[in-house]
Amino acid sequence: KAGVTQTPRYLIKTRGQQVTLSCSPISGHRSVSWYQQTPGQGLQFLFEYFSETQRNKGNFPGRFSGRQFSNSRSEMNVSTLELGDSALYLCASSFKADNEQFFGPGTRLTVL
Amino acid sequence: GESVGLHLPTLSVQEGDNSIINCAYSNSASDYFIWYKQESGKGPQFIIDIRSNMDKRQGQRVTVLLNKTVKHLSLQIAATQPGDSAVYFCAEIGAYQKVTFGTGTKLQVIP
Repeated sequence: KAGVTQTPRYLIKTRGQQVTLSCSPISGHRSVSWYQQTPGQGLQFLFEYFSETQRNKGNFPGRFSGRQFSNSRSEMNVSTLELGDSALYLCASSFKADNEQFFGPGTRLTVL
Repeated sequence: GESVGLHLPTLSVQEGDNSIINCAYSNSASDYFIWYKQESGKGPQFIIDIRSNMDKRQGQRVTVLLNKTVKHLSLQIAATQPGDSAVYFCAEIGAYQKVTFGTGTKLQVIP
């Protein structure tokens, strides 16, 4: 089985721009979660989707949004980028809630 | 609010020795915990999990201990190898896969 894939792996944007990151979960997995990882804040939960519905959301501003498609692939969008949005964005998938999550390699976003 | 933390940011151990990484959590209602390993440039990798109805679970060279009385979790790695060098995170799983991670402990294995 292929693992969780994320595209792109690296991205450079400037302040004020918007960005869309993509995540393809493991085949058969319906739950997709997104995390932000920074040296200062560590790993922080952004949101979780299951069957195209957002079921849980972390404490991030409305500039951070996401969606999930019928094939379980997910995207997250960050609008009006700020320097502090520079981070590794990780996606994880699981078969259902309360199951082991499998992480992708992440997308490294740099905001200049 | 809920939080998961680690006592030691960096742990250095001699190759072949046992490693113990500790974690404290604050949500006593949590019933599922996971230890992850993250190597440089990679996403977190599942090591072992434990549910609150257990106090110990063993894997290959790893053991997780859960003490619900003091809300403490530990990861023991037997016969630590250079390939074990990484950052280790404990994580607390809430409803709908909301995962709260600890700050991470860097394990350095000295050859």
